[in-house]
Amino acid sequence: QQQVKQSPQSLIVQKGGISIINCAYENTAFDYFPWYQQFPGKGPALLIAIRPDVSEKKEGRFTISFNKSAKQFSLHIMDSQPGDSATYFCAASMRAWSGYSTLTFGKGTMLLVSP
Amino acid sequence: GAGVSQSPRYKVAKRGQDVALRCDPISGHVSLFWYQQALGQGPEFLTYFQNEAQLDKSGLPSDRFFAERPEGSVSTLKIQRTQQEDSAVYLCASSSGRGGTEAFFGQGTRLTVV
Repeated sequence: QQQVKQSPQSLIVQKGGISIINCAYENTAFDYFPWYQQFPGKGPALLIAIRPDVSEKKEGRFTISFNKSAKQFSLHIMDSQPGDSATYFCAASMRAWSGYSTLTFGKGTMLLVSP
Repeated sequence: GAGVSQSPRYKVAKRGQDVALRCDPISGHVSLFWYQQALGQGPEFLTYFQNEAQLDKSGLPSDRFFAERPEGSVSTLKIQRTQQEDSAVYLCASSSGRGGTEAFFGQGTRLTVV
């Protein structure tokens, strides 16, 4: 059972446009929702993250919108640039009984920003 | 070092061969995670260490997979009698606290079993 569903699988956006990637989760115990950016041949790098007590978080051109009742969250990339072309993963985590958290990832969205 | 370092970057193994993948976490990081990333998929959790203690190995796909972190720093993921379905990128991540939410990933080891 896939706990974090991500869409679309791929996305092409023109330079300067807005890229929007959506994720939905099942488990209401999740309490941390990060987005990771991965370039070919590299490991995922944390981009931005949100906790469910806020509905939106913005860092530069990147914004997370969070809808707790719908169990959905999304990444918006404003003024998309060719350098943003990468695979983006949403993830969710919850704290285990012993205090640690493991990440459950979506399947990823391959973003291509055309010049 | 400045980041999480994994070696080798690439490994080709014949089916049935044993392999060992190494992870050097960021110095001082308490938490260490191993993830498996199949082609075109998101990473999937394998196992978690807090210092030298392996607190969670629920994601290891079979008893052919074994991980250790004997001194609470460097970790090794060992796969015995490799199978074709083991082909994937193996990612190591570390974080400074017990929480593991802000985890830093290495570049991964791409394992190809032929």
